[in-house]
Amino acid sequence: ETGVTQTPRHLVMGMTNKKSLKCEQHLGHNAMYWYKQSAKKPLELMFVYSLEERVENNSVPSRFSPECPNSSHLFLHLHTLQPEDSALYLCASSQGSGRGSGETQYFGPGTRLLVL
Amino acid sequence: GQQLNQSPQSMFIQEGEDVSMNCTSSSIFNTWLWYKQDPGEGPVLLIALYKAGELTSNGRLTAQFGITRKDSFLNISASIPSDVGIYFCAGRAQGAQKLVFGQGTRLTINP
Repeated sequence: ETGVTQTPRHLVMGMTNKKSLKCEQHLGHNAMYWYKQSAKKPLELMFVYSLEERVENNSVPSRFSPECPNSSHLFLHLHTLQPEDSALYLCASSQGSGRGSGETQYFGPGTRLLVL
Repeated sequence: GQQLNQSPQSMFIQEGEDVSMNCTSSSIFNTWLWYKQDPGEGPVLLIALYKAGELTSNGRLTAQFGITRKDSFLNISASIPSDVGIYFCAGRAQGAQKLVFGQGTRLTINP
């Protein structure tokens, strides 16, 4: 397995459900990211983790809860979501610290989320 | 906050034609990246640029880091059907931590 993988690829959930998205990177990178991609909008950065420490939270609602147990894995726990949260959720990783300098990010295939 | 202006938003071309798209920023950037995204997939890195004036190729793709450091260009020569998708520019402003993305250019090719 190479690159950045995400599971599940598709998820349909009700507003009262609790689910988790999983991301795994096989690149030996130190930083991992969650992005939200909605139709006709630029990519929105949600969270950044550097060496398992959260270094950025871009004013994301608390119904999204990230977890980074080690430098290879990143989770996004979802609970009581709203229909407007339906989007493609992308995970990415980069070699550096995630704090800025010279970062090139490599993306996973995304999880297509539909909230009913 | 920092924004990128990517143009055109969409392109409809004939197979075999060359394609050009660009990205501009209001401030000086020290990194420019170009990604392609296929439907239902995540963006895939095409070309990374780290130096003003840098011109880098990846097969039929060529990207340039503008001399002013406020723009970047992506060219695709002799387009083929598999070039269809959305192309995103991304960059990091000098002194900034965050990578920002353009709105994307949707490329459609008529055979």
